[in-house]
Amino acid sequence: GAVVSQHPSWVICKSGTSVKIECRSLDFQATTMFWYRQFPKQSLMLMATSNEGSKATYEQGVEKDKFLINHASLTLSTLTVTSAHPEDSSFYICSARDRRWTEAFFGQGTRLTVV
Amino acid sequence: DQQVKQNSPSLSVQEGRISILNCDYTNSMFDYFLWYKKYPAEGPTFLISISSIKDKNEDGRFTVFLNKSAKHLSLHIVPSQPGDSAVYFCAASGTASKLTFGTGTRLQVTL
Repeated sequence: GAVVSQHPSWVICKSGTSVKIECRSLDFQATTMFWYRQFPKQSLMLMATSNEGSKATYEQGVEKDKFLINHASLTLSTLTVTSAHPEDSSFYICSARDRRWTEAFFGQGTRLTVV
Repeated sequence: DQQVKQNSPSLSVQEGRISILNCDYTNSMFDYFLWYKKYPAEGPTFLISISSIKDKNEDGRFTVFLNKSAKHLSLHIVPSQPGDSAVYFCAASGTASKLTFGTGTRLQVTL
């Protein structure tokens, strides 16, 4: 299958600081990228969908000013958690899809801990 | 509102036997269904998918069955292997192309 690389795999940051998570498609053009969040023992919750060159579409209840998504190229999307707080601690996962496909491929995930 | 449901949070199966994971959905607009396997602290790995125009898709040890009238799909793994132990998520997609995930079923394959 296609390869999606997510970095970093884990990060610890102080409350009030911002954290950037990168998601790269290594061997295909990701026309659409998705960002998910997973709390322990829960399902993956879609946060936002981004199409290359367009503004991200956020799911209801997700603060777009807090979770900044940039999808400036066909191989890279970034999620920036601004002014992080302990309640933002979670497992964040990106997925990417080529417009020709129906399935999406996932990155390895990023464990964010805000202290 | 949980549009995709996996009612069994866990399942234990003996090695060599069949594992059957179930998934129900409520949104009739879903037309494409996928199964993902996930290990702790890793991203999901795509396993197998099925379009709503089919009722069965097979790939090696994995077979997915779709019953549209019942809004139910299942994943069969046979024979089950210890390496299959993981959390399995079913996901559904409609015209918006975004995936809606179920809550997952933890499969434990015992020796």
